[in-house]
Amino acid sequence: QQQVKQSPQSLIVQKGGISIINCAYENTAFDYFPWYQQFPGKGPALLIAIRPDVSEKKEGRFTISFNKSAKQFSLHIMDSQPGDSATYFCAASTGGGNKLTFGTGTQLKVEL
Amino acid sequence: DGGITQSPKYLFRKEGQNVTLSCEQNLNHDAMYWYRQDPGQGLRLIYYSQIVNDFQKGDIAEGYSVSREKKESFPLTVTSAQKNPTAFYLCASSTPGQGDTGELFFGEGSRLTVL
Repeated sequence: QQQVKQSPQSLIVQKGGISIINCAYENTAFDYFPWYQQFPGKGPALLIAIRPDVSEKKEGRFTISFNKSAKQFSLHIMDSQPGDSATYFCAASTGGGNKLTFGTGTQLKVEL
Repeated sequence: DGGITQSPKYLFRKEGQNVTLSCEQNLNHDAMYWYRQDPGQGLRLIYYSQIVNDFQKGDIAEGYSVSREKKESFPLTVTSAQKNPTAFYLCASSTPGQGDTGELFFGEGSRLTVL
């Protein structure tokens, strides 16, 4: 049973464009929603995270938008750069804890 | 430097053989995790341990075993009972309730191929 659904599976964006990755969850007990970034051959690393008491969180070019009623959250990468090319995973957990349920990942490629 | 070290980075084994993947951390984290990554399936939790000498099954524990005898170490054994062991295995650690992030710190992974 997949509790966090992520789309699209892959995404190609032109340099300077906006990359948007979406996730939807089923478990209303989830209360912590991080995004992880993974480069080839490496482990994932935390990029940005949000809790459901806010609808948006921005860190530099990266923004999480959160819609509690729709049980959806998304990652927006503004002014996408070739160095942003990586696989992005959304995740969720309960109790603000570390036992994360991950989405299936989105492979982003930013072209010149 | 502080971090998580996984070894070996690449491993080949024949069917029917057990293999043990090493995970060591010097971050002084209490909790450690093992995830399996397959294309198109994301990361799936195999086992996790929140304290020494204690561990719990994750979502896909069948065919795997772990031990947590030391805070720094959380080795994973892939047994011959695991029907499809070829995958990329990731170890992670965290301090439960760390700040506001609950952040997981990952190693660089071990790629296991069964021939």
